[in-house]
Formats: sequence, structure tokens, C-alpha cells
Amino acid sequence: GAGVSQSPSNKVTEKGKDVELRCDPISGHTALYWYRQSLGQGLEFLIYFQGNSAPDKSGLPSDRFSAERTGGSVSTLTIQRTQQEDSAVYLCASSLGFREGYTFGSGTRLTVV
Amino acid sequence: DAKTTQPNSMESNEEEPVHLPCNHSTISGTDYIHWYRQLPSQGPEYVIHGLTSNVNNRMASLAIAEDRKSSTLILHRATLRDAAVYYCILRATGALTDSWGKFQFGAGTQVVVTP
Repeated sequence: GAGVSQSPSNKVTEKGKDVELRCDPISGHTALYWYRQSLGQGLEFLIYFQGNSAPDKSGLPSDRFSAERTGGSVSTLTIQRTQQEDSAVYLCASSLGFREGYTFGSGTRLTVV
Repeated sequence: DAKTTQPNSMESNEEEPVHLPCNHSTISGTDYIHWYRQLPSQGPEYVIHGLTSNVNNRMASLAIAEDRKSSTLILHRATLRDAAVYYCILRATGALTDSWGKFQFGAGTQVVVTP
């Protein structure tokens, strides 16, 4: 596609439920990133995939968070047993290579009630 | 990790140039300087990036100091659509350190454009 696509755009879930957030990167982009942004805050790095290398998971805040990238393309971020502090906008970005700029998606706004 | 320092906010009048400074005194030789901006309720948008030489594109210009310890993003004629938070970020591409390849966003500079 022309840009990075994220779905759903909005998600409201009850505390304790699991959620899956999807990211379709730009075709051919080898690098894919997940960030989150809480209300009024800056972007917090979560995880980074580069080609077939092992992902950099150093930003995941707890073991309730996991992500996978299938076939070097689509990525899914899963949050298990959601908590209210997980409420944020989750942003996905992709880039052609590690020296190039990112293209961000519009994000998924997650609200845990 | 190499870090950047930016002013919290800057104001400009419409159609005037805006010069956004960024200090990165601990930059390493293989760190690229990237600029992104984030409009309200949107994801960040790539603006420009460079390594050593000044760079120009349709959105802005990037002036990099000779010692690379600072840089300036230049918006040549500010419009109301340029009101956003502008982030200056270093991207490590050299040795495999904890910061390799990924961006660490700071607080950025809030640009306010007045008609």
C-alpha cells in the first residue's frame, strides 16, 4: 500500500482482556517499529524488527506485551490482561532500511476501561 | 545513548522563517540526525535527515554544524499547517549498541504559528 496501515483505529476493551493490534507496513520495508504515546506524552519505543534478525524487544514494558512479524510483513502487537495504564495510542512505523526515515501509521487508540 | 536538547516551544509569524535548534553534543560519527514532526492527533511525520552535509527537501532544510554537535531545522516560510511538535532525534547506525537502529523520542519543540 501507499502508507503504513494500522487496525483497528480505535479499541475499547475491558480491564483484563487481551487485545491484538495490527500493522501493515509499506511493501518492501524491512524495518518495522512499534511505539506508544500516552496522552500528552512523548513516544515510547516498544519493539523493533529488522529483516530476519531477532527483534529488539528492549522497550516492551512487561511480559504482558508481545509482538510478532509474519513473513517479514504484517506485524501484530498483543497485550494480555490489559490494565488501565496500557491506555495509549499505539503507533507502528516502517522504513526501507536502518539508515532511512520512518513512515508512521495513524495509530490505534486503545482505551482500557 | 546520544541525546538531544531542544527548546520546549517557539513562536513564529505566518510566512516568516522558523529556525529550530537542536544540541547533540555527544553525537557519534555514525549517528544520523533525523527530524520528525507531529501534528495534533496524528502520528509523527518524517521531515528530513542527514549525516554531515546540509540537506534540503521540499519540506525544510537541515543545517548541520561542522563539529556535528548541533543542527538547525529551517522552515523557510511558516504556515499555519506547520504548527506541530518537532522532534530532533539521533539514530545510531554504527556499532551494535542498545540504541542501534531505533529512535528515542524526546519532548520536542512545540511550534506555534501566528497568523
